[in-house]
Amino acid sequence: DAGVIQSPRHEVTEMGQEVTLRCKPISGHDYLFWYRQTMMRGLELLIYFNNNVPIDDSGMPEDRFSAKMPNASFSTLKIQPSEPRDSAVYFCASSSSGLYGYTFGSGTRLTVV
Amino acid sequence: RKEVEQDPGPFNVPEGATVAFNCTYSNSASQSFFWYRQDCRKEPKLLMSVYSSGNEDGRFTAQLNRASQYISLLIRDSKLSDSATYLCVVLRGGGSYIPTFGRGTSLIVHP
Repeated sequence: DAGVIQSPRHEVTEMGQEVTLRCKPISGHDYLFWYRQTMMRGLELLIYFNNNVPIDDSGMPEDRFSAKMPNASFSTLKIQPSEPRDSAVYFCASSSSGLYGYTFGSGTRLTVV
Repeated sequence: RKEVEQDPGPFNVPEGATVAFNCTYSNSASQSFFWYRQDCRKEPKLLMSVYSSGNEDGRFTAQLNRASQYISLLIRDSKLSDSATYLCVVLRGGGSYIPTFGRGTSLIVHP
């Protein structure tokens, strides 16, 4: 099992540019989560999907953020336009019903300059 | 009151010491609990689940106190490799499987 795969590992972009983060969950997992981690705020849940359907996006900071899950093996988190305050590590995690813990990807370290 | 609270530390202990962390949660309906470990610049990884009766995995013991709404993690015979941030995770109750993470407790084990 390859685990949760995220890409890119690092992204440096200029303010105003569009950023797309990608995630491939573990096969068979029916929940997918997007988190953002900063020193100031810790791990924040942005959005989660169950069986590819967005269930709760109340953690998405604002309309600049959007997430999709077109199929069970792929999800994207898009920021448009990006701002310096979006700089953080973005993690994707997946689980099977959530009862047995969550497996995280290696994260994408985003820097917006 | 925050949903999940942890003492950020750092806890600075010598090798071989016993150290314990607590984590309090505000939602009395919370049903499932976990401890995660996060190394510097890495992703969080599941350390252990926390069961109502308490559970042990080698040098690690996790306990749940529902009456006082906290979970604990005890590490015996600390190793240098135990240095990391320990995150507690609480699942919201009512059939929700949405995890809320604490900010983490930093542990530094020194020679």
